Order: sequence, then structure tokens, then C-alpha cells
Amino acid sequence: EVRLVESGGGLVQPGRSLRLSCEASEFTFGDYGMHWVRQAPGKGLEWVSIITWNGGGKDYADSVKGRFTVSRDNAKNSLYLQMNSLRTEDTALYHCARDGGNRAFDIWGQGTMVTVSS
Amino acid sequence: SYVLTQPPSVSVAPGQTATISCGANNIAIKSVHWYQQKPGQAPVLVVYDDTDRPSGIPERFSGSNSGNTATLTISRVEAGDEGDYYCQVWDSSSGHYVFGSGTKITV
Repeated sequence: EVRLVESGGGLVQPGRSLRLSCEASEFTFGDYGMHWVRQAPGKGLEWVSIITWNGGGKDYADSVKGRFTVSRDNAKNSLYLQMNSLRTEDTALYHCARDGGNRAFDIWGQGTMVTVSS
Repeated sequence: SYVLTQPPSVSVAPGQTATISCGANNIAIKSVHWYQQKPGQAPVLVVYDDTDRPSGIPERFSGSNSGNTATLTISRVEAGDEGDYYCQVWDSSSGHYVFGSGTKITV
């Protein structure tokens, strides 16, 4: 079964850092672009970041640009999100999602919760 | 930035048809994707590229896109269709991905 599993979330103080991971299984990870999408409690979906299949292209939502960095290790079938200078408004469930090749998110992980609070 | 407008909620009786709109300027020139999210679960892609269904998605789910409105239609609605539905596009002007605000379907 094609699967994405996130980890690394937790409670962190404002201004601190956190690194999220997403491990892929049962598909050729290196063939796909990957995204991070977040959902604040009780709110809708917000796209956060994309990284192309080989890591050569990256982009970010304006709300996180300059603070978050996406990366990947295709040998480990893993996607990462380094989050620095965290703010209370970054509190959300963070999902990784696969880009199906048509700019749609065809596979999603269950998410890892990040809570930014003092 | 490109904004997608969805109604907050839609109520429908079992067996009837639910329609969810996604409005934006000239959305017809974009490819629209739709996601279903049930409580406590990750989103699931139910329609991509305006009208196509991923494998495993029932034919009851269909999409259309014309003018300034894209539409997700759920025929013969079942209790299990309850949840939040989001439209999504790629905004070529910014290179970013945009979600609608979501519509809660109540059966």
C-alpha cells in the first residue's frame, strides 16, 4: 500500500525550531515532487512548500518563506521540513503529500501536529 | 493572490444530489482538483483535472469547470459522504498552490 508517514511534531516555544520528517513507502519516491500542507485547528488546508523530484526546485508559501526549508533524501525515501523562528500562527497539523504529476495531491499522510506556544 | 470561494456548508438528504461550487476569476482556464476530508482523517483526492476520478473513487463523484465556477457534484448522496470538501488549483502567476476555504457537507 502506498503510504506516507510524518513524524517530528510536538510542542515548541515561539522563536524555536523543529524538523519534520515524512517517510514514503511502496512507490518510487524519487519519481515524484512532494509537498507540505498544513491545517490549523478547525481551519482549512494551506499549502506550505514543494520540492521537485530531485530537490532541484523548491518553493514556499509567503507565510513561511525565509523561515522554513524543505529538503529530501531519495536514498532514504524521506522528505523533511526544517522550521525555524516558529510563530504561534504556525500551530497546525502538517501533512506531507505526493504530487501526482498534474499539480494535484494524490497521496497524503495522516499528519504530525506542531504546537507553538509559550 | 488567487482566491477560491466556496460556500461554507451544504445540506443534502440521502439519495439526493449535492453540488459544491468553487468560484474564481476565469477558473475555467485552470485545472481544478477536489478533496474530501472526513473528521480526523487526511484529505483524499476525489476529482482531478476538473473531471477525472482517481481509481477507487465512485462514479457518483463528478466535476465540471466553466467560466468563473468549478463544481463538484455528488450523486445519490450517502451518509458516508459527510465531511469537508476542498477545491484546489495551481496559480501560474505566483507558482503557488491554492485551496478553497472548504465546504462542509451534511447529510
